[in-house]
Amino acid sequence: QSVLTQPPSASGTPGQRVTISCSGSSSNIGSNYVYWYQQVPGTAPKLLIYRNNQRPSGVPDRFSGSKSGTSASLAISGLRSEDEADFYCAVWDDSLSGFWVFGGGTKLTVL
Amino acid sequence: QVHLQQSGPGLVKPSQTLSLTCAISGDSVSSDRAAWDWIRQSPSSGLEWLGRTYYRSRWYNDYAVSVKSRITINPDTSKNHFSLQLNSVTPEDTAVYYCAREGDDGYGFDYWGQGTLVTVSS
Repeated sequence: QSVLTQPPSASGTPGQRVTISCSGSSSNIGSNYVYWYQQVPGTAPKLLIYRNNQRPSGVPDRFSGSKSGTSASLAISGLRSEDEADFYCAVWDDSLSGFWVFGGGTKLTVL
Repeated sequence: QVHLQQSGPGLVKPSQTLSLTCAISGDSVSSDRAAWDWIRQSPSSGLEWLGRTYYRSRWYNDYAVSVKSRITINPDTSKNHFSLQLNSVTPEDTAVYYCAREGDDGYGFDYWGQGTLVTVSS
């Protein structure tokens, strides 16, 4: 069981807006930046959002991130078939001597 | 452009040592603007951070508590790569292992290696 809680699945039809949540605690999301990664099965994860809501160069503005208190969300607007993938949140946790923690992942299906 | 190329065996016997290397191009393992991490992924544990090495006037290492007694991550400045050693492996260590660059100042894991499936089996 991960320190960060994500729904195991999400779905939407092309053109829809989908949101994926990530719930943590004061020692992780409440204190540090949240990151989002997209992973197509069989490939390495790809950075999608950094510093809660910043997009790396090349990531479409259809992807957006937000954070409030000890929760964060990833929103995907104008859903496209190529968005079908697994999505993971990640954050540094300040407990113990500090460590990175990932959410359990959300499998996005484009219907 | 940063590129990370992993190498190492895909099969390790129980109780032996898992060893992987991550060769860096387009950046330096000695950069004071990055850390160099190992992350693994398995169906049972999902994505799991294992540890990192980084240089800030001297070398530092951070390790996950779950593997702290068994793990060593070493930089090699002459070859511009870093390595992972995980001792006393069991079948529970079977996973896809990734190396990744952790950008300084909140940039996250911005570059990843291609991944290496390591199976622990006799």
